[in-house]
Amino acid sequence: GAGVSQTPSNKVTEKGKYVELRCDPISGHTALYWYRQSLGQGPEFLIYFQGTGAADDSGLPNDRFFAVRPEGSVSTLKIQRTERGDSAVYLCASSPVGGASYGYTFGSGTRLTVV
Amino acid sequence: AQKITQTQPGMFVQEKEAVTLDCTYDTSDPSYGLFWYKQPSSGEMIFLIYQGSYDQQNATEGRYSLNFQKARKSANLVISASQLGDSAMYFCAMRTGYSTLTFGKGTMLLVSP
Repeated sequence: GAGVSQTPSNKVTEKGKYVELRCDPISGHTALYWYRQSLGQGPEFLIYFQGTGAADDSGLPNDRFFAVRPEGSVSTLKIQRTERGDSAVYLCASSPVGGASYGYTFGSGTRLTVV
Repeated sequence: AQKITQTQPGMFVQEKEAVTLDCTYDTSDPSYGLFWYKQPSSGEMIFLIYQGSYDQQNATEGRYSLNFQKARKSANLVISASQLGDSAMYFCAMRTGYSTLTFGKGTMLLVSP
């Protein structure tokens, strides 16, 4: 596609429920990143994919968070047993290769609210 | 560990004036990249400008320039001739290693007529 697409744009869920957030990167971009942005903060790194594999998942806060990218394009971030502290904007970005010097292209994010 | 510090929570500037947004960074890696992003109220992160640690000259992109002072570990963004559409959050970020970005807390810029 022309840009990085994230769906849904907004998600409200009840505490304890399971949610999936989807990211569709720019066609041909092999690197894909997930970030989480809490209110008043800068984005914080969650996980990085190079192709189908997670090259770095050191930012995932705990084992309730999991992400996949089975075919090397679309990625899904999965959160189990959601907690109110998970409320944030989840941003996805892609780049042609890992470590692009000319900028990563971000999506508009999914605003997750856990009530 | 990498760290980005943006000490200005908010900045005000009049239209057509220049404004400088401060950014300092900390890393022990000799190879790194510095980025500035703009985040309007719509939420999307818009790439503005990039500076590599080995670049000899300061980066410029249209009205944006990056004042890179390596010894001071600072990478300030200068916006010349501010426009009303420049009102947004601005984030400084650093990449070390292969890929991931570390962001600062951001500066909210408000441009008044």
